Amino acid sequence: QSVLTQPPSVSAAPGQKVTISCSGSSSNIGNNYVSWYQQLPGTAPKLLIYDNNKRPSGIPDRFSGSKSGTSATLGITGLQTGDEADYYCGTWDSSLGVFGGGTKLTVL
Amino acid sequence: EVQLVQSGAEVKKPGESLKISCKGSGYSFTSYWIGWVRQMPGKGLEWMGIIYPGDSDTRYSPSFQGQVTISADKSISTAYLQWSSLKASDTAMYYCARSVRGVIIFDYWGQGTLVTVSS
Repeated sequence: QSVLTQPPSVSAAPGQKVTISCSGSSSNIGNNYVSWYQQLPGTAPKLLIYDNNKRPSGIPDRFSGSKSGTSATLGITGLQTGDEADYYCGTWDSSLGVFGGGTKLTVL
Repeated sequence: EVQLVQSGAEVKKPGESLKISCKGSGYSFTSYWIGWVRQMPGKGLEWMGIIYPGDSDTRYSPSFQGQVTISADKSISTAYLQWSSLKASDTAMYYCARSVRGVIIFDYWGQGTLVTVSS
């Protein structure tokens, strides 16, 4: 069981917006930056968001991140069928890394 | 171009030892942390540990401390993950990844190494 809590699944229709939450504590999210990863079926994870809300080069601005207190949120607008994937939050806790349990996004 | 290339899939028996590798190229291997991430079949990502090849500083998740050993050979830009005695529960995909800063901002990932442990 992960120290970071994510909903197991979320769903939305193409073109809509979805948010994925990641809840932690003061020892992890509350005092550290959060990253988000996308894992398409059968592939390695890909960095989507780092430092709470920054996008690496090549990541479209449909993806956004935010953090408030001990929770973080990934937002995806203009949903596409290609966004169907598992999404993971990550941060550090006592100088070690931790991931959330993951959220499966279904684009209906 | 930054690349992390992992060694191929392995099939082992319980009790056997194993060392898998992750070769970095296209960047200064000694200047970035390399982490290892486990993904058991149908499950989520688990942060196992990380090494800084520049000085071999290594950190382990409590869940993996004593169960695996992470090392690196900076002369050949390669990081390793090894087991001395595999268990069936070690069956998983293992990814290496480069951290651009800190211990979990993984900007480049290897393709994964599937380890199957079965009698």
